[in-house]
Amino acid sequence: AQKITQTQPGMFVQEKEAVTLDCTYDTSDPSYGLFWYKQPSSGEMIFLIYQGSYDQQNATEGRYSLNFQKARKSANLVISASQLGDSAMYFCAMREGGTGGFKTIFGAGTRLFVKA
Amino acid sequence: EAGVAQSPRYKIIEKRQSVAFWCNPISGHATLYWYQQILGQGPKLLIQFQNNGVVDDSQLPKDRFSAERLKGVDSTLKIQPAKLEDSAVYLCASSLSQQGRYGGYTFGSGTRLTVV
Repeated sequence: AQKITQTQPGMFVQEKEAVTLDCTYDTSDPSYGLFWYKQPSSGEMIFLIYQGSYDQQNATEGRYSLNFQKARKSANLVISASQLGDSAMYFCAMREGGTGGFKTIFGAGTRLFVKA
Repeated sequence: EAGVAQSPRYKIIEKRQSVAFWCNPISGHATLYWYQQILGQGPKLLIQFQNNGVVDDSQLPKDRFSAERLKGVDSTLKIQPAKLEDSAVYLCASSLSQQGRYGGYTFGSGTRLTVV
């Protein structure tokens, strides 16, 4: 079973508008972490934002915010005021585990296209 | 601080040949990861080291893949013999600890392997 699901293979957004990238996850571990990474065409993975399962507030980092709905097991990324440089692949990831070792798994990604 | 260094950047080999990739993590980062990213998919964890010990290698095809992290610093990943399905980008990442809570992982630029 998929542990991280990103249902949008591709998304288009107009420059300066906001966009939401969807991510749902599945875990029975009460302690876990959720991440979003950006992968431009150059290939490197860039860490964007982190949300812990016990965090009460939604995480924010500049133009990025994470809409964390624990009961629905969703962790959507919101990018405000999109820029042309935001065009890239975006991956949602979840870290779970404990004494046996933490493991981070990635979703299949969403490709975002920002239009001028 | 210097990032995660990987080499080579690109490699083309024939099937059944062997290949090795090198990774130097950020100084002081105890945890090192090798991920395989097949085109159009999210990264898949191959092996995770904590210092020079293996934490997780459950998805490493051990009949052909091997990895080591001598002295708990840099690491090499080897494939012998290579198959066509090994064509992928091999990403190395590091973090201060397994929790990697606030910074996520820092990834290198990856090695793009093409097996012909």
